[in-house]
Amino acid sequence: KQEVTQIPAALSVPEGENLVLNCSFTDSAIYNLQWFRQDPGKGLTSLLLIQSSQREQTSGRLNASLDKSSGRSTLYIAASQPGDSATYLCAVDSAASKLTFGTGTRLQVTL
Amino acid sequence: NAGVTQTPKFQVLKTGQSMTLQCAQDMNHNSMYWYRQDPGMGLRLIYYSASEGTTDKGEVPNGYNVSRLNKREFSLRLESAAPSQTSVYFCASRGRTTVSYEQYFGPGTRLTVT
Repeated sequence: KQEVTQIPAALSVPEGENLVLNCSFTDSAIYNLQWFRQDPGKGLTSLLLIQSSQREQTSGRLNASLDKSSGRSTLYIAASQPGDSATYLCAVDSAASKLTFGTGTRLQVTL
Repeated sequence: NAGVTQTPKFQVLKTGQSMTLQCAQDMNHNSMYWYRQDPGMGLRLIYYSASEGTTDKGEVPNGYNVSRLNKREFSLRLESAAPSQTSVYFCASRGRTTVSYEQYFGPGTRLTVT
């Protein structure tokens, strides 16, 4: 059974800092890995999707990496802003096309 | 193109009442999913439908039933609501992008069972 862990559970950083969110998974037989953002009381917004054959994906200030052999992914956020404050969820798409989610990292970017 | 829509947005039920959560997608996706989200638990899969006419249990199916009415619609029914079913429910669909498959989520239904 796939298990997904996200560390840390919560993170507070001052504006302007670069930061890294971590995601680990137990079964390397994945199709892809998605990073989502969730604002309080809202749904999920897809940020980045990395296919199993890829090493990284970039979108603006976000960069996600994938090391399938070690079961790890990182989400790098450059020059953080207060608007980046949200919960970030990592989800692994297994061969059965079902997503397994981590419990998320709650990020607060302070002024 | 509305994506994935869910109704209602909020609902309060008494223990033992029944209700159906509605979900529709306009992206012509084959696969659809129902998740629940509880504090500290992440999202957990309740049921999914890989294609029209098929449904399968996910991680936490007890107390729920689903219907894949057609390719667009996938409903979730609580026959006899219990306080343990208080949660936020998300519907999703999965479709092919230019490079991969990706899941798209609805805005959620916040359900409270008293």
